[in-house]
Amino acid sequence: EIVLTQSPATLSLSPGERAILSCRAGQGASTSLAWYQQKPGQAPRLLIYDASRRATGIPARFSGSGSETDFTLTISSLEPEDFAVYYCQQRSGWPPLFTFGPGTTVDIK
Amino acid sequence: QVQLHESGPGLVKPSGTLSLTCAVSGGSVGSSVWWSWVRQPPGKGLEWIGEIYHSGKTNYNPSLKSRVAMSIDKSENQFSLQVFSVTAADTAVYYCARGSAGIVASWFDSWGQGTLVSVSS
Repeated sequence: EIVLTQSPATLSLSPGERAILSCRAGQGASTSLAWYQQKPGQAPRLLIYDASRRATGIPARFSGSGSETDFTLTISSLEPEDFAVYYCQQRSGWPPLFTFGPGTTVDIK
Repeated sequence: QVQLHESGPGLVKPSGTLSLTCAVSGGSVGSSVWWSWVRQPPGKGLEWIGEIYHSGKTNYNPSLKSRVAMSIDKSENQFSLQVFSVTAADTAVYYCARGSAGIVASWFDSWGQGTLVSVSS
């Protein structure tokens, strides 16, 4: 089982600032890493897949990068609606096991 | 655009069976994708439970494999989850989700709104 670690646990920023979120895999995770946004009382929403590809309808201010064990989600300029919890997720092995990171909370400073 | 909707009892007694159904609209459970269940205990993170293909083939999280069963009903365009011998630790919001297209799924591109299931006497 691959363990995903996210940092920081909480990121306190103001609207307009840049957010940089990290996700580290315990072992090589290839590029099949995804990022989700979750707001209170809502289901997760796919933001990024294959480490760097934006999902349909996701604004360009969201970008993903990285490979192997280190991945980053960047929000170039925070909008009020971006304050939420962000999870990374990866699939490993066969039969598959999907693992989520513990999440990073981006809150308003 | 595919939509998923979970339904089922919101309260289950300890040692009982949790049963949920995910109705799919705007798409077919017979399409070449895997359909998954993911749960989230209150205030905690996400845990993948398992997935099912239209053929009925399933893959489960090893941590839950002994207590979980999934099925698919192409005539009703829905798929289902059962969790047996539940305890308070199974209290969570349960989501159904569609896996990414391909022979294997790598991420989840559509989610239901989630349904809270509490285990309590």
